[in-house]
Amino acid sequence: DAGVTQSPTHLIKTRGQHVTLRCSPISGHKSVSWYQQVLGQGPQFIFQYYEKEERGRGNFPDRFSARQFPNYSSELNVNALLLGDSALYLCASSSPRRATGTGLADTQYFGPGTRLTVL
Amino acid sequence: GENVEQHPSTLSVQEGDSAVIKCTYSDSASNYFPWYKQELGKRPQLIIDIRSNVGEKKDQRIAVTLNKTAKHFSLHITETQPEDSAVYFCAAFDNNDMRFGAGTRLTVKP
Repeated sequence: DAGVTQSPTHLIKTRGQHVTLRCSPISGHKSVSWYQQVLGQGPQFIFQYYEKEERGRGNFPDRFSARQFPNYSSELNVNALLLGDSALYLCASSSPRRATGTGLADTQYFGPGTRLTVL
Repeated sequence: GENVEQHPSTLSVQEGDSAVIKCTYSDSASNYFPWYKQELGKRPQLIIDIRSNVGEKKDQRIAVTLNKTAKHFSLHITETQPEDSAVYFCAAFDNNDMRFGAGTRLTVKP
């Protein structure tokens, strides 16, 4: 029974480049959320997707975008990378039992993360 | 939006003692409050969670309490063991997003 998987594990980019991070949720989970965790801080919410639709967005610039595919996997894209984008990017999957408004509150299980370094 | 504050930032206890970590939140619409444990270089692991319709929940040595009126919730770990040493994060979820506290580094001394 596979958990949440993410790829790649590590990534090094230079300022101005673009990056795509990938996430596969737990089998049967239809919701994926993305978080940025800077060293020494708690995860910061970026996006939540459910059934391929964006259900929540955190306070991140438009350089950050994401999408969810029919198989519920997801990609996070970041354009025009800045040094401050260096962080651990975590994906979490959940299986919401109900939809409440625009967001879905349910147990989230994290993947191992992608460590992005921007030079 | 939601704002979550977590205290203390560091906590050191002797093995066998209890540890308490406290969090406050600002948005009264928040309805789900998980706690995660993160060891160095690893992913956050859910250890316990509580919903707004419940005041207390316990799972073996771990318990969480929620006071909706005061907008605070706490994690209680009893009979601490060295393997409990990690960073613990609280979080609060409303209809839009999940906000995490800044974390508490717990050290359990043998």
